[in-house]
This record gives sequence, C-alpha cells and structure tokens, in this order.
Amino acid sequence: DQQVKQNSPSLSVQEGRISILNCDYTNSMFDYFLWYKKYPAEGPTFLISISSIKDKNEDGRFTVFLNKSAKHLSLHIVPSQPGDSAVYFCAAKKSSGDKLTFGTGTRLAVRP
Amino acid sequence: DSGVTQTPKHLITATGQRVTLRCSPRSGDLSVYWYQQSLDQGLQFLIQYYNGEERAKGNILERFSAQQFPDLHSELNLSSLELGDSALYFCASSLLQGGNEKLFFGSGTQLSVL
Repeated sequence: DQQVKQNSPSLSVQEGRISILNCDYTNSMFDYFLWYKKYPAEGPTFLISISSIKDKNEDGRFTVFLNKSAKHLSLHIVPSQPGDSAVYFCAAKKSSGDKLTFGTGTRLAVRP
Repeated sequence: DSGVTQTPKHLITATGQRVTLRCSPRSGDLSVYWYQQSLDQGLQFLIQYYNGEERAKGNILERFSAQQFPDLHSELNLSSLELGDSALYFCASSLLQGGNEKLFFGSGTQLSVL
C-alpha cells in the first residue's frame, strides 16, 4: 500500500522556468511533509518541509504548497537551474511518530 | 556531507551469503533509521533504533536484523541473501525521536547479490 505517491516518474523543464513536482498521500494521520533531493551516488538531502497547520512554506527558490483537503502537496522551484537536476522525493510522517514514508521519486531534468 | 557514514559503499556477494552493513550517525544523534531502495522504488523503511532500543519496524524481512550499539553506531545484518535483496541501503540519523525532526542520510551501501 503506497501511502505517498509521486505519479510522475520524470519531468523536464527549461532553465529559468518553473518546475512543479507533485505528491499525493492517502494517510490522513500524516501531519508533517518533507521534500528531499537526491543526486546520483549520494544520499537524499533535506530540501524543505511543511507542517499541516500551514498551507505554504517558502525558502528561496523553493516553495511547498499543501492542500490538506485534497491530500496533495507540490514543490515549486522558480527559477529552475541545471544544478536542480536530481531525483526529488516527497515524504510524510506523523509528528507523534518517527519514520518517514517516502514516495517513489520524480527525476527532474533542467535543460540549459 | 551529512555527517552520517556508511560502510562499505559497495558490496558484491552471492546468494545464500550473509553481510553486515555499518552506519555511524551524526555526532550527537540518538536515532538511527535503515531504508532500502530497490530499482524504481521509493525508500522503504526497514527499522529504527533510538539510543540502543528498537523503536519502530517497517517492512523488514525475518532474514534481516539490526542493532544499535552503546556508541550509537548501527549495523544491519542481511542473511540467506537472495537476488531480490540487491538494492541501495541507506542509513539516516536524527537527534530525537518523534516531532518534526528531519533525517540526515548517509550515501548508502549498494548491495549486489549475484
């Protein structure tokens, strides 16, 4: 049972444009959401997070939006840069718990 | 550099064998998590330890076991290996348990079972 889903395995975007990565979840108990970025031969690194009490969190070029009623979150990268090319994982957890549940990832390619 | 160290980086072995993957968490972190990433799969949670005690278990096979030692490093033992166990195994650490802690990941151990 995949509780966190990233339905787009890949995305290609022109440099300077917006990248939008989507994530859906099914477990209504999840109340904390994170995005991780992974380069080849490296472990995932934390990018940005959002608590369920918010609907938006911004950090520089990265913004995460949360729609609790739709159980959907998205990551916006503006403007996209070639160095953003990586696999992006959406993850969710219950604040009262510890483990992160990850999606299957979206491979972003930013074309120069 | 996340501060989480995993060894070895690569491991090639045969079916039926037993291997041990090692993880040193970030200095001061008490929680250690193990995740498995198979081809085209997300990271599947295996098991978590907090300050030496098992805290949560995920989809970990009975052939797999783990422990966290007093110095907080952790080992994941995989036995009676099968071809399907070939995957990237990640260790992650965090300071606390629960709450809105983010995890810091090591660079993983690539296991190939031939």
